[in-house]
Amino acid sequence: ETGVTQSPTHLIKTRGQQVTLRCSSQSGHNTVSWYQQALGQGPQFIFQYYREEENGRGNFPPRFSGLQFPNYSSELNVNALELDDSALYLCASSLRGAVYEAFFGQGTRLTVV
Amino acid sequence: GESVGLHLPTLSVQEGDNSIINCAYSNSASDYFIWYKQESGKGPQFIIDIRSNMDKRQGQRVTVLLNKTVKHLSLQIAATQPGDSAVYFCAENTNTGNQFYFGTGTSLTVIP
Repeated sequence: ETGVTQSPTHLIKTRGQQVTLRCSSQSGHNTVSWYQQALGQGPQFIFQYYREEENGRGNFPPRFSGLQFPNYSSELNVNALELDDSALYLCASSLRGAVYEAFFGQGTRLTVV
Repeated sequence: GESVGLHLPTLSVQEGDNSIINCAYSNSASDYFIWYKQESGKGPQFIIDIRSNMDKRQGQRVTVLLNKTVKHLSLQIAATQPGDSAVYFCAENTNTGNQFYFGTGTSLTVIP
């Protein structure tokens, strides 16, 4: 177990709705990264948060947004859900600058119908 | 953009044999690489890493080889066990970067 926990584990939403996914980072880690993993693909970087601010973003539209809280936990929000947003959403926690110590949670499986 | 690819999408090996999973990368600036194992329904699990100043690193039953000349990475698993069945990803990063670039993955099946 990595100590990174995500909730919920599974979620079904309707196209056009909004969703919030949550991640608790491993103790001592101050950086959280979010990834989207489509079926049969490798994870794709969405964005990273450090000290409650976005610290880098991948090729995802603005309807993907996030938050990081003082306790380093994080949320991923997706507005105006599309069918293609169906995927496994992973968060990874690490120490700032220590990219080699990134540990992943088990993910949230989002299905958009 | 980044491009990390794997040569074989699926691999089947007999229990007890050695497995070799290959990966190609395109960013010559990448200087840090990780192999992840992902079992069904779980997040990626760290297996082994290697920095660009090395060409080989060994762990428990696993060895990673890095050939920077041809931008190629491989993962060798010795005495493959049924518990090794999973999808394996290579991921690359620069030492100061904030994101990993993952390949598509190779599905390893171990035949008892």
